Amino acid sequence: QVQMVQSGAEVKIPGSSVKVSCWASGGTFTSYAISWLRQAPGQGLEWMGGIIPVAGTVNYAPKFQGGLTITADDSTSTAYMELSSLKSQDTAVYYCAKSLGGSYRLDALDIWGQGTTVTVSS
Amino acid sequence: ETVMTQSPVTLSVSPGNRATLSCRASQSVSRNLAWYRQKPGQAPRLLIYGASTRATGVPVRFSGSGSGTEFTLTISSLQSEDFAVYYCQQYYNWPQTFGQGTKVEIK
Repeated sequence: QVQMVQSGAEVKIPGSSVKVSCWASGGTFTSYAISWLRQAPGQGLEWMGGIIPVAGTVNYAPKFQGGLTITADDSTSTAYMELSSLKSQDTAVYYCAKSLGGSYRLDALDIWGQGTTVTVSS
Repeated sequence: ETVMTQSPVTLSVSPGNRATLSCRASQSVSRNLAWYRQKPGQAPRLLIYGASTRATGVPVRFSGSGSGTEFTLTISSLQSEDFAVYYCQQYYNWPQTFGQGTKVEIK
């Protein structure tokens, strides 16, 4: 079964950008839809946006419109999440997750990456 | 956006006993409701989708019920690995949203 694997931890200064990658190990994205979520320390889960890599269609949650860019390279089955103008409040664990039914907007999430810790600090 | 409210915040249960977790939506989400278990330092794991369908490989001790705005996750006999945080998620109204979580701890 495919597993989602994410890039390693990042430490960033306020105002900079971070780009996290997520790739399919043991398979390909095929017709998958991939979501990005985050979890601040001690907090719950927050959906940021989603993409269908094979089609390039992207959807962002209203809160993240403008500062978030989600892309994908279908040939390498890799998805990317880039967050700009980082603030200390962006310190969180960022997850990619595969949609169960193929929707990039509204779906249960059945395969998750291991998470990438992003720390924003001066 | 749809606000998901979980109760209780913390649930203390003895191993082998039953646990009942609740999730309420601020507006109808039909049956587009999922439950996840998250152990410390790990990613969430999908347990239930469609309000009552167990995901692949999920033990039968997990069951979900409800529709509209009221949902329940029941764990019939708590095992050691079940002491964790549980989240509900609605995926009916855009954007999809999660509850704040219920922590199930050992009594």
